[in-house]
Amino acid sequence: AQSVTQLDSHVSVSEGTPVLLRCNYSSSYSPSLFWYVQHPNKGLQLLLKYTSAATLVKGINGFEAEFKKSETSFHLTKPSAHMSDAAEYFCVVTFTSGTYKYIFGTGTRLKVLA
Amino acid sequence: DAGVIQSPRHEVTEMGQEVTLRCKPISGHDYLFWYRQTMMRGLELLIYFNNNVPIDDSGMPEDRFSAKMPNASFSTLKIQPSEPRDSAVYFCASSLPRSGDRKFGIFSGANVLTFGAGSRLTVL
Repeated sequence: AQSVTQLDSHVSVSEGTPVLLRCNYSSSYSPSLFWYVQHPNKGLQLLLKYTSAATLVKGINGFEAEFKKSETSFHLTKPSAHMSDAAEYFCVVTFTSGTYKYIFGTGTRLKVLA
Repeated sequence: DAGVIQSPRHEVTEMGQEVTLRCKPISGHDYLFWYRQTMMRGLELLIYFNNNVPIDDSGMPEDRFSAKMPNASFSTLKIQPSEPRDSAVYFCASSLPRSGDRKFGIFSGANVLTFGAGSRLTVL
């Protein structure tokens, strides 16, 4: 069965320190992977996507993620957190075969401390 | 492009009333998705359409929920009768087909899911 797991429901970092949000997926097919961000009372905005091109993907606002097939992971990173990064982040997987469902992780709430 | 447009942004109603949520997808997008977001259950896919045809409605909670897409530029999600447990934020999203969908059935990657701002429903 296809699934996606976000390992941390909450992450707290200090402003200016690195951010790591973890995501693992399970799939029988070749996945396409995304990270979305949701600020409070807002819709979801795409941060970046991986669709079988380069394994290191750069997104908006300094975020990037690396697809590691051997580890079935797609962790999101940023070298230096900013206060405006405080939000909820969703890892999303869909597949190049079969049903066209986007499967969302349960989300990681990022808190940035001054 | 104005993006995915949802209305109303906020709806407060009383239990038993009918609720209709509306969505206008991005022009040219063949796929339309309805999601529900609650604190307890996170983001749940309710139903999705391809070329105005419902493809998978397995996430629709029960018969009180129905969704239609009469044309490529409009979809509705209806709840009748509404109950307090239906209180949630309902998101509509649209996307282009996966690359190659229309040609050889060979999928070479997925396209971006673009979300509307959501409709916050409160049922008293």
